[in-house]
Amino acid sequence: DTGVSQDPRHKITKRGQNVTFRCDPISEHNRLYWYRQTLGQGPEFLTYFQNEAQLEKSRLLSDRFSAERPKGSFSTLEIQRTEQGDSAMYLCASSLTGGLNTEAFFGQGTRLTVV
Amino acid sequence: ELKVEQNPLFLSMQEGKNYTIYCNYSTTSDRLYWYRQDPGKSLESLFVLLSNGAVKQEGRLMASLDTKARLSTLHITAAVHDLSATYFCAVDGYTGTASKLTFGTGTRLQVTL
Repeated sequence: DTGVSQDPRHKITKRGQNVTFRCDPISEHNRLYWYRQTLGQGPEFLTYFQNEAQLEKSRLLSDRFSAERPKGSFSTLEIQRTEQGDSAMYLCASSLTGGLNTEAFFGQGTRLTVV
Repeated sequence: ELKVEQNPLFLSMQEGKNYTIYCNYSTTSDRLYWYRQDPGKSLESLFVLLSNGAVKQEGRLMASLDTKARLSTLHITAAVHDLSATYFCAVDGYTGTASKLTFGTGTRLQVTL
């Protein structure tokens, strides 16, 4: 296992189009997170799964955003009717559950540009 | 709402010098992480600090955590150019059922020859 994998690495889309990103976490990790990072800022939490259950969603996650983790393994993040303000790096992370150390390991990210 | 502040936001330092980056956070937490990010890249985990008084060192970097002061520091000793990157602290706002990280705004470190 080589770590958290995200696909695609880059996506350019026209405003109004739908886009979907995929994240494959580290295999034994049952927690999966999505973050968004805009230029010059730190990552901001979007949503979090434990196994297949989506346990928390940020207020940043508007109705146009939806995330799934159907079998508790990979996850998808879909953005409908993209807007220029959606341009950002979308980061996926995974971690183990239980115990004190919930260190999250991040994927390489998907850079979205909405034109 | 948990807030995390880092300072300075930008740091230009000469090779061989020492400096400290500060990370303050607003609510109780005993889990703090430091990450490094190179331009256009993802986040690389540097340190995991899980208790008051924790100190971790790796090469020229040393991180510490004071949960009573809600403060973590990342100390750079004898900086080298390869350390140029953006450094983020992230606090785990663990609530007992969920765990998520709140990141600081980052400190962009530039080490000049």
